[in-house]
Amino acid sequence: QSALTQPASVSGSPGQSITISCTGTSSDVGSYNLVSWYQQHPGKAPKLMIYEGIYRPSGVSNRFSGSKSGNTASLTISGLQAEDEADYYCCSYAGSSTKVFGTGTKVTVL
Amino acid sequence: QLQLQESGPGLVKPSETLSLSCTVSGGSISGSSYYWGWIRQPPGKGLEWIGSIYYTGSAYNSPSLKSRVTISVDTSKNHFSLRLSSVTAADTAVYYCVIDFNLYWFDPWGQGTLVTVSP
Repeated sequence: QSALTQPASVSGSPGQSITISCTGTSSDVGSYNLVSWYQQHPGKAPKLMIYEGIYRPSGVSNRFSGSKSGNTASLTISGLQAEDEADYYCCSYAGSSTKVFGTGTKVTVL
Repeated sequence: QLQLQESGPGLVKPSETLSLSCTVSGGSISGSSYYWGWIRQPPGKGLEWIGSIYYTGSAYNSPSLKSRVTISVDTSKNHFSLRLSSVTAADTAVYYCVIDFNLYWFDPWGQGTLVTVSP
């Protein structure tokens, strides 16, 4: 299993929308609608933001949305806010009860 | 609401075995239809899934760590544990215990505990 590929960094101004990509293979992202996304602020534990590709847990802002096309999943943050500055990780089910994480993306709010 | 808390030594010597426990509060391990997992994060690096276990003992581990990892569950103490053998400096990381929901996503997470491998 190889880590899913994410851009190292993405930036945007307050109020803008940004999209983080997460590219895998036909053995993981492409085969299952089971991508999850996590937000991690410095020194903190990650927090679930999206599960099963498109669903938001209770309490997560509707400014966060997920999608998938082929072997690439995406997380879009609309109406970017200062508090969204963090690291973001995708994770996909990879069959045989295993999971693989993405390489992580640092989001900077300009 | 279920909460998780990691505990264990913060320093392990190379070639020895790393041992961590995760205590579950707010509910029973055996009364929950969840998997219980471990994830680690080396300093300044990304996340890596280590493995997950059901309260019956059915466990699944990362292929890359499989030969060194043992995850176990103790329902009487309402905790689950991680053992990682033959550690090297590359195993230095923050280790998180998590609920592995349906074996598909992780929520919630413990606060994490830093384990350093050093002589």
